[in-house]
Amino acid sequence: DAGITQSPRHKVTETGTPVTLRCHQTENHRYMYWYRQDPGHGLRLIHYSYGVKDTDKGEVSDGYSVSRSKTEDFLLTLESATSSQTSVYFCAIRGDRGFSYEQYFGPGTRLTVT
Amino acid sequence: AQSVTQLDSHVSVSEGTPVLLRCNYSSSYSPSLFWYVQHPNKGLQLLLKYTSAATLVKGINGFEAEFKKSETSFHLTKPSAHMSDAAEYFCVVSVSLPGTYKYIFGTGTRLKVLA
Repeated sequence: DAGITQSPRHKVTETGTPVTLRCHQTENHRYMYWYRQDPGHGLRLIHYSYGVKDTDKGEVSDGYSVSRSKTEDFLLTLESATSSQTSVYFCAIRGDRGFSYEQYFGPGTRLTVT
Repeated sequence: AQSVTQLDSHVSVSEGTPVLLRCNYSSSYSPSLFWYVQHPNKGLQLLLKYTSAATLVKGINGFEAEFKKSETSFHLTKPSAHMSDAAEYFCVVSVSLPGTYKYIFGTGTRLKVLA
């Protein structure tokens, strides 16, 4: 258990509204990631962070922005939600002990855009 | 460029029979490879990882995987399936670039275990 929480766990919102998802970790890991999971696609990287205020885009970043003002929190914002952003969103951290640097995941947020 | 291919989107086995979930990878460097499991409506849990220490890797719940460089494969196996193994499994390769670390996921294999 890497102490990762996500909020909210479920959200239903309307097209065009802004939405912010929060990822919180308690172990001061430097690297944090946001993924979306859709059937047939596995997990796809939206954005990631390699430190406070240091972020970069992943493969499906259009329509999403992120912020990381402190180590423990990584926020994902949908500026104007669309139905194509209906998905399950997972936050992850990169372990930084040993040599393998595996990822640990939060419980996920199920977002429905109507 | 790194990539990972899971060769089967669905696998069905009978309880008590062996499980084989296939994964091929492409990597310019010596890769780190992982298998994760996701039970229905749950998050992802690390099953096992390969980090070049040993080619046969043992994980949790009786799963193991063998890294074969000549075949660029990292297949997941279990000698005897249990009903609780029914889940989706993801093969992942890590990408290490200067100043950053990314992970590439396969599209997943859904394992069904028949009674």
